[in-house]
This record gives sequence, C-alpha cells and structure tokens, in this order.
Amino acid sequence: EIVMTQSPATLSVSPGERATLSCRASQNVISNLAWYHQRPGQAPRLLIYSASTRAPGIPARFSGSGSGTEFTLTISSLQSEDSGVYYCQQYNNWPPGYTFGQGTKLEIK
Amino acid sequence: EGLLLESGGGLIQPGGSLRLSCAASGFTFSTSAISWVRQAPGKGLEWVSAISGNGAGTYYADPVKGRFTISRDNSKGTVYLQMNSLRAEDTAVYYCAKERQWPPDPFDIWGQGTMVTVSS
Repeated sequence: EIVMTQSPATLSVSPGERATLSCRASQNVISNLAWYHQRPGQAPRLLIYSASTRAPGIPARFSGSGSGTEFTLTISSLQSEDSGVYYCQQYNNWPPGYTFGQGTKLEIK
Repeated sequence: EGLLLESGGGLIQPGGSLRLSCAASGFTFSTSAISWVRQAPGKGLEWVSAISGNGAGTYYADPVKGRFTISRDNSKGTVYLQMNSLRAEDTAVYYCAKERQWPPDPFDIWGQGTMVTVSS
C-alpha cells in the first residue's frame, strides 16, 4: 500500500499571506495526485487533480505542483474561508485502492 | 451540478448489519463510478469501497473485505453498501463520492455523509 505523508500537521498563517502544504508518497505516483479541502462538519471538496489542475470553480489562488513522490499545494493570499483541513490523495496504485494523507490543518490567524 | 444523498446510518450493536444508500441526481449515473469513503470521529479520510458504472467491477479496502458489499441499481440511480459483522472501529461518517472518470480518478462530487455508530 502506498503511504501518503503530509506536513506540517498544523499550519497557522495570517490573512493575505501564502500557505505551503506538502505531501509525500512512499512510492512513485507519477502525477496521479489530488488535493481536497474539508471544513468542519462538511464533506471534502476537490481542489486539484493530476497534481496541478484546478477543479472547476476553484480560485486561481490555489495551485498544485510536483510529481513522483513529492507534491505541494500553495494557497496564495489566504482568506478566512480557506481554514480547515487539507488532504492529499493518490490514485495511481489501482487496484488495490486509494490512499489519503493524514491531513494538514490550516488555521487563519 | 450533480448531487449525492446518503441515508441508512444509525446506531448498531457490534456484530450487527446495516445497509447504506447513496441516491444520485444531476449527472449520468450509469457511467459513473462511485466510492464510499469514511471518516472516524476526529480522524482523516479512509477509502472503503468502489463500484464501476456498470457494476461489473467492485473493489474493497482490506479492513472491510469479506464484511462489506457494494452494489448499485442504475434504474434507481442508487448505490448501496451492505455492512455486516460490524465492529467498533467501523464507527465513522460514511460519504459516497463520484469519481471524475473511470479508470480511477479523484472524487468531484461528495454527499453530505451519514453517521454509523457501532456500540453496545
């Protein structure tokens, strides 16, 4: 099973600043990586797929990069609604199935 | 834009059974693969099971293999998750989610989730 490791566990950033979240895969997942955002009490929302493609309706301040085993989600000019938990997910190793990272909690100061 | 609506969650004793339903609307259901993803209280996301659009392909995570069965009725636009031999560690919010495309791809539509609590 491919293990996805996210860092940091928690990130606290001021509004208007930039946040950088990392995701590492235990094996090469090529560019088959997605990012999701989850607010408390809500379902996750797809932000990025294929490592760097924004999903429909996602603002341009969200960008993804990386390939292979190292990936980054960058959120420029943070807004209050960006708080929550961010998850990465690999979908390269199929079957047996998908795996998610443990999440990064983003707090807006 | 498509919608997914889960139902069937509740409180069940260990060893019991429960069937979850996921009703879809607003997209071409019969060609869409659907997964179940769960989230234990205060924990991260865990993929549970997936079914292809025509139902011919079914897939399970190791922790539920042999206990859970995924199925679908394309005439009703609904996916089911039959959960047997439930354990305390199955306690979670269960989301159904649609894959962007098949073969496997990220989930672009999620339901609001249904809570399953396994406790005596």
